[in-house]
Amino acid sequence: AQSVAQPEDQVNVAEGNPLTVKCTYSVSGNPYLFWYVQYPNRGLQFLLKYITGDNLVKGSYGFEAEFNKSQTSFHLKKPSALVSDSALYFCAIILYNFNKFYFGSGTKLNVKP
Amino acid sequence: DVKVTQSSRYLVKRTGEKVFLECVQDMDHENMFWYRQDPGLGLRLIYFSYDVKMKEKGDIPEGYSVSREKKERFSLILESASTNQTSMYLCASSFSGTGVFGYTFGSGTRLTVV
Repeated sequence: AQSVAQPEDQVNVAEGNPLTVKCTYSVSGNPYLFWYVQYPNRGLQFLLKYITGDNLVKGSYGFEAEFNKSQTSFHLKKPSALVSDSALYFCAIILYNFNKFYFGSGTKLNVKP
Repeated sequence: DVKVTQSSRYLVKRTGEKVFLECVQDMDHENMFWYRQDPGLGLRLIYFSYDVKMKEKGDIPEGYSVSREKKERFSLILESASTNQTSMYLCASSFSGTGVFGYTFGSGTRLTVV
């Protein structure tokens, strides 16, 4: 069975500091990996994805994520956090020939001035 | 700009009412999905559809039904609204047969049942 784990319900970081939001997954096969961001009372917006190739992928708003196959992880990172990065972040996986995502439970990122 | 449009951002309904949540996409996507989002529970799949007039139950279909008469429109129906259906409802769509493009989400409908 496929599953995605985001072990932290909340991450707190000071503005200007680096941030990491963790994601691990369990899947039979080779998944595509995604990060979505949700601002209050809004839908989810695509942030970045890993399909194949370079393990480090770059996305919107200065975010990046590193795919680690041996650790089955896809952690989201940013070198210098902004207050405007405060939001809810979801990790998700999908198998290449499937239609349905498996979502993590979400991590609330709080960036304090 | 491609879009998934949910007809209402905020909705207040009374217990026992029949409620329709509408979702329209303009991307010619085959797949459409309805999720509900609750604090601490993440996203839970209610129903999805891979084609016109086709539907499949997700993880929490009880108390809901769906309709897909046209490719671009996917409706979620609460047959008799109850207070425990107060939630944020998210519609999404995607291409069929490959996950490489991911989902496109609507802005959500926050439903309150009183």
